[in-house]
Amino acid sequence: RKEVEQDPGPFNVPEGATVAFNCTYSNSASQSFFWYRQDCRKEPKLLMSVYSSGNEDGRFTAQLNRASQYISLLIRDSKLSDSATYLCVHKNTGFQKLVFGTGTRLLVSP
Amino acid sequence: NAGVTQTPKFQVLKTGQSMTLQCAQDMNHEYMSWYRQDPGMGLRLIHYSVGAGITDQGEVPNGYNVSRSTTEDFPLRLLSAAPSQTSVYFCASSPKASAEQFFGPGTRLTVL
Repeated sequence: RKEVEQDPGPFNVPEGATVAFNCTYSNSASQSFFWYRQDCRKEPKLLMSVYSSGNEDGRFTAQLNRASQYISLLIRDSKLSDSATYLCVHKNTGFQKLVFGTGTRLLVSP
Repeated sequence: NAGVTQTPKFQVLKTGQSMTLQCAQDMNHEYMSWYRQDPGMGLRLIHYSVGAGITDQGEVPNGYNVSRSTTEDFPLRLLSAAPSQTSVYFCASSPKASAEQFFGPGTRLTVL
């Protein structure tokens, strides 16, 4: 089983829609979680960290469910510019190494 | 600041050739890493460094060497290129106490 699993998509949504992605992880010792965004043929960039109590950054909300071992990303009022691949990432305690999921592709259409 | 820079952007090699992918950062970050990204596999860690003079292996180190003689530079050497090393290579750096990694623009390598 992969350490981090994501639905590859693509998720096709119209502008203004709300869309949510889930990501499951297998290592219960995982301590830190992140969402990265990667545009086509570009490098990944940090979108947001995921905190235990859940956190929001504008139209983006991230949540962590330790009991079920998944994290989620909710995007409200989708924009064309949100079209990208969203990478789920976790870091184990004691290591400065990140484990990346394969990504979920989002396509927002007019 | 230029951030993380990588050269070359594109490279085509023949099987058995060697080459060095360059990576430099001007943010004075302690941690630097090399990843490869393949379709359906996600980013996989090749080698990483926690400071000048210190390197360690990641998930897929075979066929690659690294060195870290300065804080700024972290080159990745392919010793004898194989078609299985066709991939997109990303270098990343991060401050010691932070988990956010800053990635370079990547090198697209094709091995024939």
